Order: sequence, then C-alpha cells, then structure tokens
Amino acid sequence: QKEVEQNSGPLSVPEGAIASLNCTYSDRGSQSFFWYRQYSGKSPELIMFIYSNGDKEDGRFTAQLNKASQYVSLLIRDSQPSDSATYLCAVKASGTYKYIFGTGTRLKVLA
Amino acid sequence: DTGVSQDPRHKITKRGQNVTFRCDPISEHNRLYWYRQTLGQGPEFLTYFQNEAQLEKSRLLSDRFSAERPKGSFSTLEIQRTEQGDSAMYLCASSHSRGHEQYFGPGTRLTVT
Repeated sequence: QKEVEQNSGPLSVPEGAIASLNCTYSDRGSQSFFWYRQYSGKSPELIMFIYSNGDKEDGRFTAQLNKASQYVSLLIRDSQPSDSATYLCAVKASGTYKYIFGTGTRLKVLA
Repeated sequence: DTGVSQDPRHKITKRGQNVTFRCDPISEHNRLYWYRQTLGQGPEFLTYFQNEAQLEKSRLLSDRFSAERPKGSFSTLEIQRTEQGDSAMYLCASSHSRGHEQYFGPGTRLTVT
C-alpha cells in the first residue's frame, strides 16, 4: 500500500511568520511531488511541484525534497490570512499512473 | 485558455438512480483523471485516460462506475444505482503529456438521499 502521510493540524502561525508543512511518503520509487492548496468547498489548486532533491522556490513558496529520507516539505514565507487553507501533498506513484494524496494539513494564519 | 470545467457543479439524486458527470479538460491536455474526495480526506484516484484509452482504473471502483473519453477530449463518469456512500465531490484533473502537473476542475458535488 503506497501511502502519503501528513499531520492534519491545524497548524496556526501568526501573520508574517513562516509556515512549514511536512509530508512523508512510502513509495521509494516516486519521482514527482506536488503541493496543492484547497479552500473549504473548493477544488485543489496546484501551487508547487518538485522532481529533484533540494529546494525549489516560487515567490513566497519553497518546496523541499529529500528522496533518501522520503519527505517533502512546503515553506510559506510572510504568511497571510489568505493562506489559511488545507494543503495537500501528492505523490505520483511509481510504475502506475496514480497520484496518491495525503489527507492534508489545515493551516490557519492569525491576523 | 480556460481551465478544466465540470458539469454539473451540484447533483442531488435519490438512491438507486443513475447519474452522469462531464469533464472538459484543458484543450491541449491529453491526460485526464477522475478522483473522488470525501470530507477530511485527500482526493482518491478513480481512473486515468490517455487520449481516448482508459489505461488505469482503481480497484476501489465498483462495477457501478464507468468512465469514457470517446474522442480523447471530454470525459464522462457514470454511476449506476447510486448509494448513499457515493455522496462525495467528484473531481476531474488534466495534464499535458510533457509534464506530470495536474490541474483540477471545480468538481461535481454529489448528494445521494
């Protein structure tokens, strides 16, 4: 059973702080990793993807991947109340076309 | 370029009825996925199309579920003899063959009474 694990939260951070979201996965052969933001009642929105070990930055977002330790993280700098949402980690499973999603971490940014 | 669209956005049906949902992917995307999401869970993979070919189907998908993508463009997902446990958000996503990034539509929320 290929799994993706996330802490469900809620993770509460003050406005302007850095929010750190973590995800671990079980499929050692996975090569593609994604972070989605989902507001309540809406569909997931792709915010970051990463395929290589290391860091990838896009604006206030940084994705970090460590394949040896099988974890991927998302940092949100200068957190804003509008960042309050559920963040889903997704992994493309090896040897299939499936994408496995975690249950998401709920982030609350306090004004 | 418009994103992925889904129709209807909401569907309320009585147990035992059949329902059909439609998904229109981003125009140049040849890969299309269907997912189901229930409250507090991440999206759960249902099936995958590459062009018109259905290449993978979840073992969780009972034989009451069927999906088609006849001309490699839009796709339909049909649920026959709906049950209350089918109540969920049904999400469609598409991606280009050049990358693995998936983009989701707004979803169809199904309520089975």
